[in-house]
Amino acid sequence: GAGVSQSPRYKVAKRGQDVALRCDPISGHVSLFWYQQALGQGPEFLTYFQNEAQLDKSGLPSDRFFAERPEGSVSTLKIQRTQQEDSAVYLCASSPRGRPELAGARTGELFFGEGSRLTVL
Amino acid sequence: SQKIEQNSEALNIQEGKTATLTCNYTNYSPAYLQWYRQDPGRGPVFLLLIRENEKEKRKERLKVTFDTTLKQSLFHITASQPADSATYLCALDMENGNLIFGKGTKLSVKP
Repeated sequence: GAGVSQSPRYKVAKRGQDVALRCDPISGHVSLFWYQQALGQGPEFLTYFQNEAQLDKSGLPSDRFFAERPEGSVSTLKIQRTQQEDSAVYLCASSPRGRPELAGARTGELFFGEGSRLTVL
Repeated sequence: SQKIEQNSEALNIQEGKTATLTCNYTNYSPAYLQWYRQDPGRGPVFLLLIRENEKEKRKERLKVTFDTTLKQSLFHITASQPADSATYLCALDMENGNLIFGKGTKLSVKP
């Protein structure tokens, strides 16, 4: 498959557990975004990578949330000491273009994965 | 404060009619606006992008308008079909490359 792949699709965690969510973007895509989508809401921005550089983490809700993309391809979103309010769908999206100030082009459309649904009990 | 509003949480229409969805925003100045479709349990799928200097964009049965004076975008689906039933999200394309999404409008097309 040539699309964005996320795993696991479903994760149930007990409050206080650590979880790791994986994203495989489309091969060669420069930009990678993580979004959080609560039930009945639109996706909310968490963090942005251009290649391996995390250029924006302004949307991460607390220091329990951590994301990395060490080799500029696969990314992992880690949530430590999960709490019930962390329950949501976590969406990963990628784009072939980088940020305007670096690549001279707009990010344009995003290609989303199917999401990882996290339930914290 | 910055806000994006999609006119209603749900819209029910009869097959064959035109569906019109509204996206309003305040305190933003996006140069681009995008529309996505999201089916239950799936990620959003890109539909259309419109630039601030474009009044209207069409793709098959879809039409999008973008009025930067009114700070509003309208999304139309003509000759709607039950298969068009989904949640439609508008997204503002910010200068830093982020997309800011609205809550979405759930469209149901009845046969």
